[in-house]
Amino acid sequence: DIQMTQSPSSLSASVGDRVTITCRASQSISSYLNWYQQKPGKAPKLLIYAASSLQSGVPSRFSGSGSGTDFTLTISSLQPEDFATYYCQQSYSTLLYSFGQGTKLEIK
Amino acid sequence: EVQLVQSGAEVKKPGESLKISCKGSGYSFTSYWIGWVRQMPGKGLEWMGIIYPGDSDTRYSPSFQGQVTISADKSISTAYLQWSSLKASDTAMYYCARAAGYMDVWGKGTTVTVSS
Repeated sequence: DIQMTQSPSSLSASVGDRVTITCRASQSISSYLNWYQQKPGKAPKLLIYAASSLQSGVPSRFSGSGSGTDFTLTISSLQPEDFATYYCQQSYSTLLYSFGQGTKLEIK
Repeated sequence: EVQLVQSGAEVKKPGESLKISCKGSGYSFTSYWIGWVRQMPGKGLEWMGIIYPGDSDTRYSPSFQGQVTISADKSISTAYLQWSSLKASDTAMYYCARAAGYMDVWGKGTTVTVSS
């Protein structure tokens, strides 16, 4: 199985900050990496797919980069509605799309 | 509008069986995989398995193989997740989502509570 490890597990930041979340795969997954945002009591929402493609309707302050084993999600200027938990997911392993453990982004 | 509508919350006793559903609309249900994801209280997302309703090809995460059954009825655009004998540890929120290399459409989730 491909293991996905996110860091940090939690993060405190202020509105307007630039924030970066990292995801590392246990083996190379090319660019088969997705990012999701989940708010309390809600279903996850797709933000980024294929490592760097922005899902339709997602604000441009969200961006993704990386390939191989190391990936990042960047929020260029935090907005109040961005405080949530973020998950990475690999889709390289055929139909076994494992998730990272999540990064909780909290207000400082 | 593309959407997945999941069945309502369930409260069951240990040992009981259960089948929850996920109905797709607004797109060709037989042309996309449907994945199932578990979220235990206060925990992260866990990939359970996936089904292609077009031919019912199904794959399971090793962690869930033998613990649940995923199925689909393409005639009514509905996927299912079922248990034959629930345990307290099955208490969780269960999400279905359309999968095409990424999960772009999600149901709102079905809460399953297993308690004696």
